[in-house]
Amino acid sequence: DIVMTQSPDSLAVSLGERATINCKSSQSVLYSSNNYNYLAWYQQKPGQPPKLLIYWASTRESGVPDRFSGSGSGTDFTLTISSLQAEDVAVYYCQQYYNTAHTFGQGTKLEIK
Amino acid sequence: QVQLQQSGPGLVKPSQTLSLTCAISGDSVSSNTAAWNWIRQSPSRGLEFLGRTYYRSKWYNDYAVSVKSRLTINPDTSKNQFSLQLKSVTPEDTAVYYCARGKDSVAGSFDYWGQGTLVTVSS
Repeated sequence: DIVMTQSPDSLAVSLGERATINCKSSQSVLYSSNNYNYLAWYQQKPGQPPKLLIYWASTRESGVPDRFSGSGSGTDFTLTISSLQAEDVAVYYCQQYYNTAHTFGQGTKLEIK
Repeated sequence: QVQLQQSGPGLVKPSQTLSLTCAISGDSVSSNTAAWNWIRQSPSRGLEFLGRTYYRSKWYNDYAVSVKSRLTINPDTSKNQFSLQLKSVTPEDTAVYYCARGKDSVAGSFDYWGQGTLVTVSS
């Protein structure tokens, strides 16, 4: 299976500041035939299911604020929140769909400093 | 707007079968551009993909290696829903279970989720 490792495990950022979460896959999730990275990002708040933020590593899901952005390719990816808002407090997960195991990272807890 | 409504018991005895259903509205279980997934979440295992069913001129299933021998996911076209059956459960199967839609023809990212069902395996 492809192992997804996120860093850091937790993060405290001041309101209005930038938050950066990293995700590393144990093997490339870039599909060479179409040049797509099979990588998604989710946000999960307590008592709720995960919410899709980003797919294809950098495509924002409809309705997701543009302060959320995804970048990276191959094995190294980043989710950036450009200006942290109070409602962004949550746990964030990356997920690969390069193979049918669809593995998730362990999560990064984002809090307000 | 797609909605997924889960139903099923919250308590299952060890060695018995866990059964859950996910009713779909706003899309079709027979869609050629979606897949219908079960995912669970526990403190010990995190988010874990269990399996999916999808239709691409015929029905396909994919199952996680960890549960493949115990898991069956079936579509029900007459009711526009799909189900999970996990046999021979143990306390390790205690988790919140979610159904989710895999979007577009690749169906690898999950854009709509059910509300979640906390399933406890205990006698």
